[in-house]
Amino acid sequence: EIVLTQSPGTLSLSPGERATLSCRASQSVSSSYLAWYQQKPGQAPRLLIYGASSRATGIPDRFSGSGSGTDFTLIISRLEPEDFAVYYCQQYGSSPLTFGGGTKVEIK
Amino acid sequence: QVQLQESGPGLVKPSETLSLTCAVSNYSISSGYYWGWIRQPPGKGLEWIGSVYHSGNTYYNPSLKSRLTMSIDTSKNQFSLKLRSVTAADTAVYYCARVFVGYAGIYWGQGTLVTVSS
Repeated sequence: EIVLTQSPGTLSLSPGERATLSCRASQSVSSSYLAWYQQKPGQAPRLLIYGASSRATGIPDRFSGSGSGTDFTLIISRLEPEDFAVYYCQQYGSSPLTFGGGTKVEIK
Repeated sequence: QVQLQESGPGLVKPSETLSLTCAVSNYSISSGYYWGWIRQPPGKGLEWIGSVYHSGNTYYNPSLKSRLTMSIDTSKNQFSLKLRSVTAADTAVYYCARVFVGYAGIYWGQGTLVTVSS
């Protein structure tokens, strides 16, 4: 099983600032099958990034993903009020699928 | 737009079986893809439970495999989850989603809270 470790656990930032979220895998993620999701309270996760760097349909270009192998990054270039949420990474390259523990992006 | 909707009891007694169904709209599940379940205990992270194909082929999370059965009904365009011998640790929001190896979860249900309590 691939264990995903996200850091930091909480990120306190102001609107307009840049957010950098990290996801580290315990072993290489096959074919860069790494996704990022955003989750707001009471809602299902929303797919932001798949294949480590491809934006899902309708996702603003302020969200970008990068990385390969065991180290992945999600960057939100300029935080909008609606971006304050919890973000999860997920590997879907091998079974069992696994998720990171999440990074909460909160308003400073 | 593919839509998924979970249904089932919101309260299950300890040691009993948790049963949920996910109805899929605007896509015929017999056309392909694996269809899965993911859960999230209150205030905690996400856990993949398992996925099922239209042929009935299944993949389960090893941590739940001994208690888990997933099935699919292409005639009703829905798939189901049964988790046996539940305890309070199985209390969670259960989501259905189109997700498995090779494709990320672009389509999710809204989730349903299942509480295990006597």
